[in-house]
Amino acid sequence: DAGVTQSPTHLIKTRGQHVTLRCSPISGHKSVSWYQQVLGQGPQFIFQYYEKEERGRGNFPDRFSARQFPNYSSELNVNALLLGDSALYLCASSLVFGGEQYFGPGTRLTVT
Amino acid sequence: AQSVAQPEDQVNVAEGNPLTVKCTYSVSGNPYLFWYVQYPNRGLQFLLKYITGDNLVKGSYGFEAEFNKSQTSFHLKKPSALVSDSALYFCAVRDNRYGQNFVFGPGTRLSVLP
Repeated sequence: DAGVTQSPTHLIKTRGQHVTLRCSPISGHKSVSWYQQVLGQGPQFIFQYYEKEERGRGNFPDRFSARQFPNYSSELNVNALLLGDSALYLCASSLVFGGEQYFGPGTRLTVT
Repeated sequence: AQSVAQPEDQVNVAEGNPLTVKCTYSVSGNPYLFWYVQYPNRGLQFLLKYITGDNLVKGSYGFEAEFNKSQTSFHLKKPSALVSDSALYFCAVRDNRYGQNFVFGPGTRLSVLP
């Protein structure tokens, strides 16, 4: 079975631009979470979706938004990019709400 | 609020020796505890979890962890380290009382020396 997939793998953007990151969960998993991992730190929770509804939001500005589609895939959008948004963005899926999470390889975003 | 501490940034151990990676946590309710490993340029891989039951939890690749409620700790252990165990290890906690958000520790880099 395929694991969690994310696209793109790497991305370079300029300050002020916006970016869309995509995630496909493991087949059958209905919950998707997004994390930001800055170099040298642990992942920081951004959003969690279950059955297409937002179930949790971390301490991130409104520039960050996400959604989950009927096929349970998800998008993370970040507007008005700042240099500090440069990070590895991780998507995780779980079979049930609150279950152990399985992570994708991440999207490395660099903002210049 | 939930929090996780991993007091050691780096742990060095010789191959074949036992290893311990420490984790302490703080939650208001009952903790759900997890360990993940991250290899360079990779996402996180699930190792093991504690939800309830036996305080000694066995996971993938020969790792185990011991839940200690009185010390609010969940240390990761392995009886005999391998060079291939060298990676970044993250402890995470989820407090079911406040929803299902995971809080990760800052990570501990494990280096197993041949």
